[in-house]
Amino acid sequence: GAGVSQSPRYKVAKRGQDVALRCDPISGHVSLFWYQQALGQGPEFLTYFQNEAQLDKSGLPSDRFFAERPEGSVSTLKIQRTQQEDSAVYLCASSLGLAGESTDTQYFGPGTRLTVL
Amino acid sequence: GNSVTQMEGPVTLSEEAFLTINCTYTATGYPSLFWYVQYPGEGLQLLLKATKADDKGSNKGFEATYRKETTSFHLEKGSVQVSDSAVYFCALINNNNDMRFGAGTRLTVKP
Repeated sequence: GAGVSQSPRYKVAKRGQDVALRCDPISGHVSLFWYQQALGQGPEFLTYFQNEAQLDKSGLPSDRFFAERPEGSVSTLKIQRTQQEDSAVYLCASSLGLAGESTDTQYFGPGTRLTVL
Repeated sequence: GNSVTQMEGPVTLSEEAFLTINCTYTATGYPSLFWYVQYPGEGLQLLLKATKADDKGSNKGFEATYRKETTSFHLEKGSVQVSDSAVYFCALINNNNDMRFGAGTRLTVKP
């Protein structure tokens, strides 16, 4: 595939609903990242996977947020009982992740814009 | 902790003007520094990066030099074009995979 893809591109949820956001990284990329970008702000780190292992979830804002990457490729970010403050663009990025090299270029998807009413 | 502060926008320039977008950082150790660009309707793209002090990243006429003494990574371009209109993000990564971004600077270039 060409680049990182995310679906859906737009999601409107009622407060209290659960949502699931999907990320398809570039084929062969070991590392996968999720970010949250509020309006007018830069992206903020949520979590990081190396293959199927979630190595860092320090940025997840609450236990309502959960991410998985069970087979080391596609990842899903799930938000339970959505709140209005969860409204943001959720970005996924992937990198080659060779030997845990943190300076690898991260390639970003177009994002999912979540609006919680 | 690690953080990035960049010049607030929006910035509006005429075509062929000189561009500077300031970026300073706070970090322990020796972070790698990046500029990402987001064109209208598109995702974030890496513009350039520098991984150690005094390195200069360059791409598409843009340049930025990693200055450890001033903890800065200012973005410059000698002659901007209308097609450079976008939002520019300065970012750092430091010994882990937690990339920290600035708030972004919106650049509009008028013909």
